[in-house]
Amino acid sequence: EDKVVQSPLSLVVHEGDTVTLNCSYEVTNFRSLLWYKQEKKAPTFLFMLTSSGIEKKSGRLSSILDKKELFSILNITATQTGDSAIYLCAVEITSGTYKYIFGTGTRLKVLA
Amino acid sequence: DTEVTQTPKHLVMGMTNKKSLKCEQHMGHRAMYWYKQKAKKPPELMFVYSYEKLSINESVPSRFSPECPNSSLLNLHLHALQPEDSALYLCASSQTQGNTIYFGEGSWLTVV
Repeated sequence: EDKVVQSPLSLVVHEGDTVTLNCSYEVTNFRSLLWYKQEKKAPTFLFMLTSSGIEKKSGRLSSILDKKELFSILNITATQTGDSAIYLCAVEITSGTYKYIFGTGTRLKVLA
Repeated sequence: DTEVTQTPKHLVMGMTNKKSLKCEQHMGHRAMYWYKQKAKKPPELMFVYSYEKLSINESVPSRFSPECPNSSLLNLHLHALQPEDSALYLCASSQTQGNTIYFGEGSWLTVV
């Protein structure tokens, strides 16, 4: 059975800290891995990763994929209270059609 | 511009009511999706339309009936729902299946 596991489930840090969120997967027919940030509304897209070892960066956020060890990390440096959200990892698989399998998310809270 | 618009934002309906959720995008995307998200859970795929044809139905009960009148619109018709169907219903779209999906802000549904 295809599965995506995120860790930790929740995390509380102080402003300025650096956090690393993990997403591991066991799927057949992997195509890509995506990270989303969800505040009180819909998930907003952060990164899409398809190749191992190539870091994607956007401001204080960065992410990398390891297709050999089947995981991805999302790093947030110099955290701010506005980073408080649920971070969702989704793995896209192809099996006749394309589907996304979501992890349970990591709930991040950044304290001032 | 990656905008997916959903209406209504909030809906309260009785178990005997018939209502519809609407979703619209003008990005020329040809794949559109309905997800259901319960509190503290990741989004769960319900339906996928590809080029206005139903591509995936994740064994959703028949009280949920999707409709794709054209390439920009996606509806979810609701009839005889149960209180456990109360959730955030997310519409999403992508250029085609296999491309990054972008979510709308969701419709909060409460069944009383």
